[in-house]
Order: sequence, then C-alpha cells, then structure tokens
Amino acid sequence: DAKTTQPPSMDCAEGRAANLPCNHSTISGNEYVYWYRQIHSQGPQYIIHGLKNNETNEMASLIITEDRKSSTLILPHATLRDTAVYYCIVRILNGGATNKLIFGTGTLLAVQP
Amino acid sequence: DGGITQSPKYLFRKEGQNVTLSCEQNLNHDAMYWYRQDPGQGLRLIYYSQIVNDFQKGDIAEGYSVSREKKESFPLTVTSAQKNPTAFYLCASTYRGPNEKLFFGSGTQLSVL
Repeated sequence: DAKTTQPPSMDCAEGRAANLPCNHSTISGNEYVYWYRQIHSQGPQYIIHGLKNNETNEMASLIITEDRKSSTLILPHATLRDTAVYYCIVRILNGGATNKLIFGTGTLLAVQP
Repeated sequence: DGGITQSPKYLFRKEGQNVTLSCEQNLNHDAMYWYRQDPGQGLRLIYYSQIVNDFQKGDIAEGYSVSREKKESFPLTVTSAQKNPTAFYLCASTYRGPNEKLFFGSGTQLSVL
C-alpha cells in the first residue's frame, strides 16, 4: 500500500507562504495525491489533488515532483484560519476499483500572528 | 443541500452495550467509509464499502460491524467487544473513481460512561 510521510508540525508567519511537504515514495503510476485539512473536532476538508501535473485552485497549489515520489502543498498567503492538521494521502487501487483511503498522522500547521 | 450527515453528534455508551452511529449521504456516492480518530492522532480506517451489500474491513475492524443495505446509508455499530471505544468517529463518502474527492461528515464523539 502506498503510504505517506509528513513532518509532525510546522510554523508559518501570517501572510507568508506555507509549504507543506509529503513523501510518497511507493506511489503507483495511476494513484492520485490528495490533500485534506482538519480543524479541531471537525470533519476533514478537501483542499486539492493531482496525478502528475502541478495543480492550483482558490485554496492552494500542489507541486508534484517529476518522479512523483513527493509533493508540496503551498498556501500562498497563510492566515490564522489556516491553522489545522494537513493530511496528504494517496488513493489506493485494488482490483481496478479505488477503495482504501489511508490517512497518516498529518502535519499540524500553526500560523503565527 | 447535498451532503453527508452523521448522528448523533455526541453519544455515550455503557459497559457491555452496543451502540450504532448513523451516516447518511444524499450525494449519490458509491463508496462510504468509517474512520476512527483518537486525540492528537490521525484517522484510522475501520470499514469501507464500495457498493450496496458489500463492505471490507479496514485496519481496525475488530469490535465493529457495519451494513450497507441502501446506497445512502452506512451505519456503524460499536459492539461490546470493542474495549476502548472512546474516540471521534468520522464517516466519509465518494464516487468510486480515483479522481474523486472524499466528503466527510461532521463526526460523532463517542464516550464510555
């Protein structure tokens, strides 16, 4: 199963870019990388996902290395409301159908005023 | 509004009692998931289901049971065999393709009296 590795915590100054790394060295060629975040005692919220190319939406940018073994989530201008646990996961395929979604322990991003 | 609903938000279980957590979605999603989250920890997969009348064990299925009689519903029963049931339980759903987002409910906090 493809697993992910993330640093347990990071700090970022308000207004600066937050760059959250994720290692997924065993990812298969047809597995997507997803990022979610969770604010305390709430359900995780979808941020962004990608396969090979870099992706950008209104929340963040996702940079995937050419060998796909790692990725970086970028919050361009972090605010205090971005303080949360950020999870990087990969979609695991089995028998041709996507099923298991394995979350790691995530990165606690603390945005400092 | 389309979404995924978990109930109740808080639940208390007595020793030796079975309790059932509800999860309903009106997103027409094929796959549904149950995760357990302990304080300060990541999400661990309990059970998942890709289609009606079919489900698979996740990483920590012991002491839990599920059913998937309807596409919209995926209830989780915490049995008396689960000796440490106190946790935050999250239900999620998605379409089956690898390029689909996972939507989460707002969670149920289960505590033992």
